[in-house]
Amino acid sequence: EAGVAQSPRYKIIEKRQSVAFWCNPISGHATLYWYQQILGQGPKLLIQFQNNGVVDDSQLPKDRFSAERLKGVDSTLKIQPAKLEDSAVYLCASSGTFEQYFGPGTRLTVT
Amino acid sequence: RKEVEQDPGPFNVPEGATVAFNCTYSNSASQSFFWYRQDCRKEPKLLMSVYSSGNEDGRFTAQLNRASQYISLLIRDSKLSDSATYLCVVNRGSNYKLTFGKGTLLTVNP
Repeated sequence: EAGVAQSPRYKIIEKRQSVAFWCNPISGHATLYWYQQILGQGPKLLIQFQNNGVVDDSQLPKDRFSAERLKGVDSTLKIQPAKLEDSAVYLCASSGTFEQYFGPGTRLTVT
Repeated sequence: RKEVEQDPGPFNVPEGATVAFNCTYSNSASQSFFWYRQDCRKEPKLLMSVYSSGNEDGRFTAQLNRASQYISLLIRDSKLSDSATYLCVVNRGSNYKLTFGKGTLLTVNP
């Protein structure tokens, strides 16, 4: 079974630039999550989708972050404009039942 | 108070040692509990769920004390391959919104 796919794997941008990350969940998984993991911390949930509807986005900095899940499958997370403190690994996860399966993440460096 | 707090670590133990990780959570309404494992520069993966009755999976034993809001993970006979960060994870509601602790780094030495 194919896992959660993410791209790009690495991205380096300057502050105030914009960036987008893509996630393809495991086939058939209705729930999709985006997490931010800063070095030395556990993952922090940014947004949770159920099919193509948002379940929870309470920790998403909506002034600069946006996310969508078109047709209830793939998802994109965008940051515009980026700040230095956005440097982190952005993890996508999907679940069919209770277990969440994570993708390899996108490592973002903002300079 | 943070929602999920773990031993800060790091833990350095010799092969064959027994090591225990502790975790506390602040929200008494939390419904389910997990330990995830994260290897260096890799994604987190579910290690085991934690049940009130306690559960064991080979060398790994997890315990939950709801009254004390405390979760533990015991690893017996540590292997080099157990070296990783162990994340305590709590789910508050039915939508499986997970809250992760900071993680505790374990290094098992030969």
